[in-house]
Amino acid sequence: DAGVIQSPRHEVTEMGQEVTLRCKPISGHDYLFWYRQTMMRGLELLIYFNNNVPIDDSGMPEDRFSAKMPNASFSTLKIQPSEPRDSAVYFCATRGFLNEQFFGPGTRLTVL
Amino acid sequence: AQSVTQPDIHITVSEGASLELRCNYSYGATPYLFWYVQSPGQGLQLLLKYFSGDTLVQGIKGFEAEFKRSQSSFNLRKPSVHWSDAAEYFCAVGTSGTYKYIFGTGTRLKVLA
Repeated sequence: DAGVIQSPRHEVTEMGQEVTLRCKPISGHDYLFWYRQTMMRGLELLIYFNNNVPIDDSGMPEDRFSAKMPNASFSTLKIQPSEPRDSAVYFCATRGFLNEQFFGPGTRLTVL
Repeated sequence: AQSVTQPDIHITVSEGASLELRCNYSYGATPYLFWYVQSPGQGLQLLLKYFSGDTLVQGIKGFEAEFKRSQSSFNLRKPSVHWSDAAEYFCAVGTSGTYKYIFGTGTRLKVLA
C-alpha cells in the first residue's frame, strides 16, 4: 500500500486566492482526519470524517475553510480566500484497524 | 479536560547515550497512547502504541515506552541513541468512540556526534 497520499506537496499562492489540498486515504480505512501544523499552535485537528461523512468540524478556524469527502478514496480541504496566516503544513491522516492514525507527508502551504 | 503534556521542548543527548522523553496525560478512562516521530519536512510516523495489557510496549527503531497509570505517564525510552534519531517526537492520547487524538506539543531531540 502506498500509504496516505497528499497533493500538492508544496503550494505557494497569493493572498485572496483559492487553495485546494487533496488527500487519498489508505484503502479500507474508515476515518479521515485533516490537521494543521504551525510553530505557534502545534498540531491542530481541523475536521474528521467517518465513512465519508463529516463528524466534527469544530477545529475549522473560519468559514473560509471547507472540507469534503465525496467518496472513500478522496478528500479535499479548501481555503477561499486564503490569507497569510493560513501558511502552515496541512496533514491528512487515516485511522487503521487498531485505532492508530497513519499520516500523509503533508502539504506545505505558503500564502504571500 | 483531556490533555497531553510533554514537559521538555528540547532535549540534547550524545550519540550512544540513553534517552527518555516524558509524556503525561489527563484522561478519564483507560487511554489509547501513542508516540510518533517527525523528521524535518516529513509526516508523522508511528513509533509505538498502547491499548491494554502489558504496560511495556516495544516499537520500531529500538524504542520502547512504559505506561504507568498511577503517574499518568507514558514515557518513551531508547537505550542507545543514534544520530538518525534526531527529530521531533509527539505523544498522543486517543479517545475511544470518536477516535480523535490529542497531541502533545512535541519534544525536539538533538543528537551530538
